[in-house]
Parts: sequence; C-alpha cells; structure tokens
Amino acid sequence: QSVLTQPPSVSGAPGQRVTISCTGSRSNLGAGYDVHWYQQLPGAAPKLLIYNNNYRPSGVPDRFSGSKSGTSASLAITGLQPEDEADYYCQSYDGGLSVHMVFGGGTKLTV
Amino acid sequence: QVQLQESGPGLVRPSQTLSLTCTVSGGPVGSGDYYWSWIRQPPGKGLEWIGYIHSSGNTYYNPSLKSRVTISLDTSKVQFSLKVISMTAADTGVYSCARGIKWIDTWGHGTLVTVSS
Repeated sequence: QSVLTQPPSVSGAPGQRVTISCTGSRSNLGAGYDVHWYQQLPGAAPKLLIYNNNYRPSGVPDRFSGSKSGTSASLAITGLQPEDEADYYCQSYDGGLSVHMVFGGGTKLTV
Repeated sequence: QVQLQESGPGLVRPSQTLSLTCTVSGGPVGSGDYYWSWIRQPPGKGLEWIGYIHSSGNTYYNPSLKSRVTISLDTSKVQFSLKVISMTAADTGVYSCARGIKWIDTWGHGTLVTVSS
C-alpha cells in the first residue's frame, strides 16, 4: 500500500491527452510538500519528468505538464506518442511518517 | 555529467547481509548539497526509498527499514554503500543508487538482488 495513490493504469490513443492522478494526505501533499514525477520506460531506470509540481528539466517536451492542489496532483500528457508508453511515478515527502521520499504505486500508460 | 553504477552480489541467502556499492563518476560525493540515495523496486511493484546520506555524512532512513539498514560514504573512493542485514525473500528486487535533493535527478541502472537459499 503506497502512501501516494495512483491509478494502476491509463490509456489513450496517439494524439490524445491523458492525465495521471496522485492522491496524498495532509501529511504529504496537503502539508504543502512538492510533488515530482518520473517516467520509467520498460527495462530502464526512472527519468525525472517534472519537479516542484510543474517544472520540466531541460530536454523534457512541453507535452508533459504537472499541477498540484491540496492533497492531489496530476500529470498531463498531450499529443500522446507511442514512445510515451511507460510507467509513471509521483514522489513527495511525508512529514507525518518521517519518510523523506514517498512514491506512488505507479501508473502504466498504454498508448 | 554524473553517472552512477551499482555493484554487488545478485544472490543473497536468507538471513544474510546484503552489501552494495555505488560508484560515482563525473563528480565528487563529498561536496555540494546532494543526497545520495538507495531505492529499491520489488518485481512487478513500485519504488521504495530505503534511505540516503548527505554529502556531509548525515544519514536518513525509511523508518520501515531503519533497524536493518546502514548507508555510508567513502569520499576518497567516490563511492557510497548500502548494507541490509537479515535479508528475507521480501527484500528481493532491483536496488538502485541515485542522487538528488528533494527529487532524484540521476539514477543508476539498478542491480537485481534475489534472496534465495
């Protein structure tokens, strides 16, 4: 049972827009801690996609965007491409549990 | 550009101790405001943060694993290490070293550790 809750899977057709939710609680997202997102392609290490809720590292396409409100956060992907098919994880800090990095259970995106 | 590479045994017997090392290339481990992490992923499951060590030497562990885990830093060898005692089958998974502050910006490729007799 992950501290941050994500849907196990989402799907979309090429060109469409999908969103992946990440639901926390008052001790993590609700306490104001930032959320970060990672993309894990099959057989590869995770890659940072979004940091501090809505900032993209250099090289990440602007098709990827993040948002956060209260105890929830979302990752949006527009103009879906076949190479976006991957697992996506959200991550934050939990002050109540004193866990410096908590992850969501991951969401499998099928394109 | 910093790169990380894990090394260690792929098979550990139940009740024994796991020792993994992460070698850092392209940058120092003993300076800067970085945290050097260990993260694991059981087969078919999500990511679990094990703990990290700051470049100052301060350590922070996941409370669920704290009693069994030690992370150390060797600045002369540009490495940091993980020790997990009393391994069980539930500890099987891919163990990755990583660098970051609030988020992880650099990951190693990960190494599969299987706990089996």
